[in-house]
Amino acid sequence: AQTVTQSQPEMSVQEAETVTLSCTYDTSESDYYLFWYKQPPSRQMILVIRQEAYKQQNATENRFSVNFQKAAKSFSLKISDSQLGDAAMYFCAYRSGYTGNQFYFGTGTSLTVIP
Amino acid sequence: DAGVTQSPTHLIKTRGQQVTLRCSPKSGHDTVSWYQQALGQGPQFIFQYYEEEERQRGNFPDRFSGHQFPNYSSELNVNALLLGDSALYLCASSSGTGYTEAFFGQGTRLTVV
Repeated sequence: AQTVTQSQPEMSVQEAETVTLSCTYDTSESDYYLFWYKQPPSRQMILVIRQEAYKQQNATENRFSVNFQKAAKSFSLKISDSQLGDAAMYFCAYRSGYTGNQFYFGTGTSLTVIP
Repeated sequence: DAGVTQSPTHLIKTRGQQVTLRCSPKSGHDTVSWYQQALGQGPQFIFQYYEEEERQRGNFPDRFSGHQFPNYSSELNVNALLLGDSALYLCASSSGTGYTEAFFGQGTRLTVV
Protein backbone atom coordinates (compact mmCIF):
# COMPACT_ATOMS: atom_id res chain seq x y z
CA ALA A 1 0.00 0.00 0.00
CA GLN A 2 1.07 3.52 -0.62
CA THR A 3 2.17 5.62 2.32
CA VAL A 4 2.14 9.37 2.75
CA THR A 5 4.32 11.04 5.38
CA GLN A 6 4.00 14.52 6.77
CA SER A 7 6.87 15.09 9.19
CA GLN A 8 5.74 18.47 10.51
CA PRO A 9 2.86 18.06 12.99
CA GLU A 10 2.71 21.82 13.55
CA MET A 11 3.89 24.90 11.70
CA SER A 12 3.43 28.61 12.24
CA VAL A 13 3.85 31.62 9.99
CA GLN A 14 3.52 35.36 10.35
CA GLU A 15 0.71 36.94 8.42
CA ALA A 16 1.85 37.99 4.91
CA GLU A 17 4.90 35.71 5.09
CA THR A 18 5.58 32.49 3.21
CA VAL A 19 5.50 28.97 4.63
CA THR A 20 6.28 25.56 3.16
CA LEU A 21 4.66 22.33 4.29
CA SER A 22 6.46 19.07 3.55
CA CYS A 23 5.14 15.77 2.28
CA THR A 24 6.84 12.61 1.08
CA TYR A 25 5.21 9.51 -0.31
CA ASP A 26 6.16 5.99 -1.18
CA THR A 27 4.93 4.26 -4.31
CA SER A 28 6.16 2.01 -7.09
CA GLU A 29 3.59 3.35 -9.53
CA SER A 30 4.31 5.87 -12.26
CA ASP A 31 0.76 7.15 -12.76
CA TYR A 32 -0.75 8.86 -9.76
CA TYR A 33 -2.16 12.09 -8.44
CA LEU A 34 -1.13 14.14 -5.44
CA PHE A 35 -3.29 16.55 -3.51
CA TRP A 36 -3.20 19.03 -0.69
CA TYR A 37 -6.42 19.32 1.27
CA LYS A 38 -7.20 21.93 3.92
CA GLN A 39 -9.37 21.06 6.91
CA PRO A 40 -10.48 24.08 8.94
CA PRO A 41 -12.30 23.74 12.28
CA SER A 42 -15.52 23.34 10.30
CA ARG A 43 -14.11 19.86 9.52
CA GLN A 44 -14.85 19.94 5.80
CA MET A 45 -11.91 18.88 3.66
CA ILE A 46 -11.30 21.49 0.97
CA LEU A 47 -9.10 20.86 -2.05
CA VAL A 48 -6.21 23.32 -2.18
CA ILE A 49 -4.19 22.06 -5.11
CA ARG A 50 -3.71 18.98 -7.28
CA GLN A 51 -0.71 17.63 -9.21
CA GLU A 52 -0.69 14.94 -11.86
CA ALA A 53 2.47 12.84 -11.71
CA TYR A 54 2.93 12.90 -15.49
CA LYS A 55 3.13 16.68 -15.50
CA GLN A 56 6.57 18.11 -14.97
CA GLN A 57 5.32 21.62 -14.34
CA ASN A 58 4.50 22.39 -10.73
CA ALA A 59 0.86 23.24 -10.06
CA THR A 60 -0.10 26.70 -8.83
CA GLU A 61 -3.37 28.10 -7.55
CA ASN A 62 -3.16 31.78 -6.68
CA ARG A 63 -1.09 32.00 -3.46
CA PHE A 64 -0.60 28.22 -3.32
CA SER A 65 2.07 26.35 -5.25
CA VAL A 66 3.77 22.99 -5.01
CA ASN A 67 7.29 21.73 -5.44
CA PHE A 68 6.89 18.29 -6.98
CA GLN A 69 10.07 16.24 -7.00
CA LYS A 70 9.08 12.94 -8.56
CA ALA A 71 12.41 11.18 -8.22
CA ALA A 72 12.64 12.15 -4.56
CA LYS A 73 8.92 11.38 -4.03
CA SER A 74 8.47 14.76 -2.44
CA PHE A 75 5.46 17.06 -2.72
CA SER A 76 5.68 20.25 -0.68
CA LEU A 77 3.11 23.03 -0.48
CA LYS A 78 4.14 26.68 -0.45
CA ILE A 79 1.71 29.28 0.81
CA SER A 80 2.65 32.83 -0.08
CA ASP A 81 1.31 36.01 1.53
CA SER A 82 -0.23 33.95 4.35
CA GLN A 83 -3.63 35.07 5.57
CA LEU A 84 -5.46 34.43 8.84
CA GLY A 85 -7.94 32.30 6.93
CA ASP A 86 -5.16 29.91 5.94
CA ALA A 87 -5.00 28.59 9.49
CA ALA A 88 -6.12 24.96 9.37
CA MET A 89 -4.96 21.35 9.23
CA TYR A 90 -3.33 20.55 5.91
CA PHE A 91 -3.33 17.00 4.58
CA CYS A 92 -1.24 15.63 1.76
CA ALA A 93 -2.96 12.84 -0.18
CA TYR A 94 -2.12 10.30 -2.87
CA ARG A 95 -4.38 8.57 -5.36
CA SER A 96 -3.31 5.85 -7.75
CA GLY A 97 -3.90 6.32 -11.46
CA TYR A 98 -4.15 2.56 -11.93
CA THR A 99 -5.98 0.61 -9.33
CA GLY A 100 -8.58 1.71 -6.91
CA ASN A 101 -9.92 5.10 -6.25
CA GLN A 102 -9.12 5.65 -2.62
CA PHE A 103 -7.08 8.49 -1.24
CA TYR A 104 -4.15 7.79 1.04
CA PHE A 105 -3.72 10.65 3.48
CA GLY A 106 -0.82 11.77 5.62
CA THR A 107 -1.26 12.58 9.31
CA GLY A 108 -1.57 16.30 8.66
CA THR A 109 0.20 19.55 9.55
CA SER A 110 -1.51 22.09 11.76
CA LEU A 111 -0.81 25.58 10.44
CA THR A 112 -1.09 28.60 12.71
CA VAL A 113 -1.05 32.09 11.22
CA ILE A 114 0.21 34.77 13.60
CA PRO A 115 -1.24 38.26 13.13
CA ASP B 1 -25.62 23.89 -5.80
CA ALA B 2 -25.59 21.90 -2.60
CA GLY B 3 -22.31 20.21 -1.92
CA VAL B 4 -21.90 16.96 -0.06
CA THR B 5 -24.23 16.80 2.92
CA GLN B 6 -23.93 14.43 5.86
CA SER B 7 -26.25 13.69 8.72
CA PRO B 8 -26.27 13.78 11.62
CA THR B 9 -23.44 16.17 12.47
CA HIS B 10 -22.88 14.69 15.91
CA LEU B 11 -23.88 11.41 17.49
CA ILE B 12 -23.32 9.70 20.82
CA LYS B 13 -23.78 5.94 21.08
CA THR B 14 -23.15 3.26 23.67
CA ARG B 15 -20.78 0.35 23.19
CA GLY B 16 -22.47 -2.56 21.45
CA GLN B 17 -25.06 -0.42 19.72
CA GLN B 18 -25.49 0.06 16.01
CA VAL B 19 -25.31 3.34 14.10
CA THR B 20 -26.27 4.58 10.64
CA LEU B 21 -24.68 7.61 9.05
CA ARG B 22 -26.01 9.24 5.89
CA CYS B 23 -24.49 11.06 2.94
CA SER B 24 -25.94 12.88 -0.05
CA PRO B 25 -23.37 13.43 -2.80
CA LYS B 26 -22.78 16.61 -4.72
CA SER B 27 -25.20 17.11 -7.58
CA GLY B 28 -24.04 15.18 -10.63
CA HIS B 29 -21.82 12.81 -8.66
CA ASP B 30 -22.47 9.08 -8.65
CA THR B 31 -19.65 7.71 -6.52
CA VAL B 32 -19.50 7.87 -2.73
CA SER B 33 -16.53 7.01 -0.52
CA TRP B 34 -16.43 6.83 3.25
CA TYR B 35 -13.46 7.66 5.45
CA GLN B 36 -12.80 7.37 9.17
CA GLN B 37 -10.70 10.11 10.75
CA ALA B 38 -9.53 9.37 14.28
CA LEU B 39 -8.45 12.28 16.44
CA GLY B 40 -5.08 13.64 15.32
CA GLN B 41 -4.93 11.35 12.29
CA GLY B 42 -5.54 11.57 8.58
CA PRO B 43 -8.66 10.02 7.09
CA GLN B 44 -8.58 6.26 6.48
CA PHE B 45 -10.53 4.75 3.59
CA ILE B 46 -13.43 2.49 4.59
CA PHE B 47 -15.13 1.70 1.28
CA GLN B 48 -16.52 3.12 -1.94
CA TYR B 49 -19.90 2.71 -3.62
CA TYR B 50 -20.69 3.06 -7.30
CA GLU B 51 -23.82 1.93 -9.12
CA GLU B 52 -25.21 0.71 -5.80
CA GLU B 53 -22.36 -1.73 -5.28
CA GLU B 54 -19.32 -1.75 -3.06
CA ARG B 55 -16.41 -1.35 -5.46
CA GLN B 56 -13.50 -1.16 -3.12
CA ARG B 57 -12.91 -1.72 0.55
CA GLY B 58 -10.22 -0.66 2.95
CA ASN B 59 -8.90 -2.54 5.95
CA PHE B 60 -12.02 -2.38 8.09
CA PRO B 61 -13.93 -5.26 9.71
CA ASP B 62 -17.28 -6.55 8.52
CA ARG B 63 -18.95 -4.57 11.28
CA PHE B 64 -18.68 -1.70 8.84
CA SER B 65 -21.17 -2.00 6.01
CA GLY B 66 -22.80 0.34 3.59
CA HIS B 67 -25.40 0.91 1.00
CA GLN B 68 -25.98 3.16 -1.97
CA PHE B 69 -29.44 4.09 -3.18
CA PRO B 70 -30.61 4.72 -6.75
CA ASN B 71 -30.36 8.48 -6.15
CA TYR B 72 -26.65 7.93 -5.30
CA SER B 73 -27.04 8.79 -1.63
CA SER B 74 -25.32 6.42 0.74
CA GLU B 75 -25.41 5.04 4.25
CA LEU B 76 -22.63 3.78 6.47
CA ASN B 77 -23.63 1.27 9.11
CA VAL B 78 -21.48 0.21 12.03
CA ASN B 79 -22.57 -2.70 14.22
CA ALA B 80 -21.43 -3.71 17.70
CA LEU B 81 -19.81 -0.35 18.35
CA LEU B 82 -16.46 -0.23 20.11
CA LEU B 83 -14.90 2.68 21.94
CA GLY B 84 -12.28 2.75 19.18
CA ASP B 85 -14.95 3.54 16.61
CA SER B 86 -15.15 7.06 18.00
CA ALA B 87 -14.05 9.29 15.14
CA LEU B 88 -15.07 11.77 12.50
CA TYR B 89 -16.68 9.97 9.56
CA LEU B 90 -16.26 11.74 6.26
CA CYS B 91 -18.14 11.16 3.06
CA ALA B 92 -16.58 12.06 -0.27
CA SER B 93 -18.35 12.20 -3.59
CA SER B 94 -16.93 12.08 -7.08
CA SER B 95 -17.97 11.41 -10.64
CA GLY B 96 -17.33 8.15 -12.46
CA THR B 97 -14.29 5.97 -12.32
CA GLY B 98 -11.60 8.29 -13.61
CA TYR B 99 -12.07 11.19 -11.29
CA THR B 100 -9.17 13.26 -10.12
CA GLU B 101 -10.99 15.20 -7.44
CA ALA B 102 -13.36 14.37 -4.62
CA PHE B 103 -15.59 16.69 -2.64
CA PHE B 104 -15.99 16.07 1.06
CA GLY B 105 -18.81 16.67 3.46
CA GLN B 106 -18.42 18.17 6.92
CA GLY B 107 -18.49 14.78 8.51
CA THR B 108 -20.33 13.10 11.36
CA ARG B 109 -18.63 13.14 14.74
CA LEU B 110 -19.37 9.79 16.39
CA THR B 111 -18.63 9.32 20.06
CA VAL B 112 -18.95 5.86 21.57
CA VAL B 113 -19.24 5.75 25.36
